[in-house]
Amino acid sequence: KNEVEQSPQNLTAQEGEFITINCSYSVGISALHWLQQHPGGGIVSLFMLSSGKKKHGRLIATINIQEKHSSLHITASHPRDSAVYICAVPNYGGATNKLIFGTGTLLAVQP
Amino acid sequence: DTEVTQTPKHLVMGMTNKKSLKCEQHMGHRAMYWYKQKAKKPPELMFVYSYEKLSINESVPSRFSPECPNSSLLNLHLHALQPEDSALYLCASSPLGLAGYNEQFFGPGTRLTVL
Repeated sequence: KNEVEQSPQNLTAQEGEFITINCSYSVGISALHWLQQHPGGGIVSLFMLSSGKKKHGRLIATINIQEKHSSLHITASHPRDSAVYICAVPNYGGATNKLIFGTGTLLAVQP
Repeated sequence: DTEVTQTPKHLVMGMTNKKSLKCEQHMGHRAMYWYKQKAKKPPELMFVYSYEKLSINESVPSRFSPECPNSSLLNLHLHALQPEDSALYLCASSPLGLAGYNEQFFGPGTRLTVL
C-alpha cells in the first residue's frame, strides 16, 4: 500500500463541472502539497496546507489531519485545467524534507 | 524573484557525451533538490543539497554527478548515460531553518533524451 494514495487515477469532466480529487496518506505530516503538472511540463505548486482550507481562484484545497485526508476541488472547470494533479507529503518535519508523492490524477476537461 | 529556472529546456545526448544541467534560484533558499521523472510517474528524488553540502543521495548511479558551487546554483553533470536515463529532470529549492515543513518550489524541468 502506498503511503500517499490519490483517487481517482483518471477523471474526465465536461467544462463547467465541479471536480474533486482526493488524497489519503498514512504517514504523519506537518503539511501537504497540491501540485499541478501540464503534459510535458514542469511542476507548479498550487497549495501547501497544514490545516483547514485554502482557496485560490477556482481552486479550493481542504485537509482533515485527524482523518489523514485532503481534497482538491475545482469549481467551474475549464479545458485549461486539464493536467495531472499530484499530492505530496513530507515524510518528516525538519530542515530538508523528502516528499512522498501520490501517483497523480490525470484530469481531462472537455469543452 | 520567486522562481526556479532550469537550462536547457531540452537536451539530446549520445551515450558517450558529457553534458550538464543547470538550476538557479535567487530566493535565498539554502536547500536544493534534483528529481527524475519518467513519463506518467511521480518525481523520484535523486539528490538534496543543504547549505551547499550534499545531504541526501538516493543511491543514484555515478554517471550522475551533482554539484552546488554556491547557494543559488545547482548543477547535474551527466556522463555515459543510458537510454533509460531519458526523463524529465526537475530541480527544486526550499528555505531552511524554519519550523515545520519548508515548501519546495519547482523549476520547469529539462527534458533529456539519451540516444
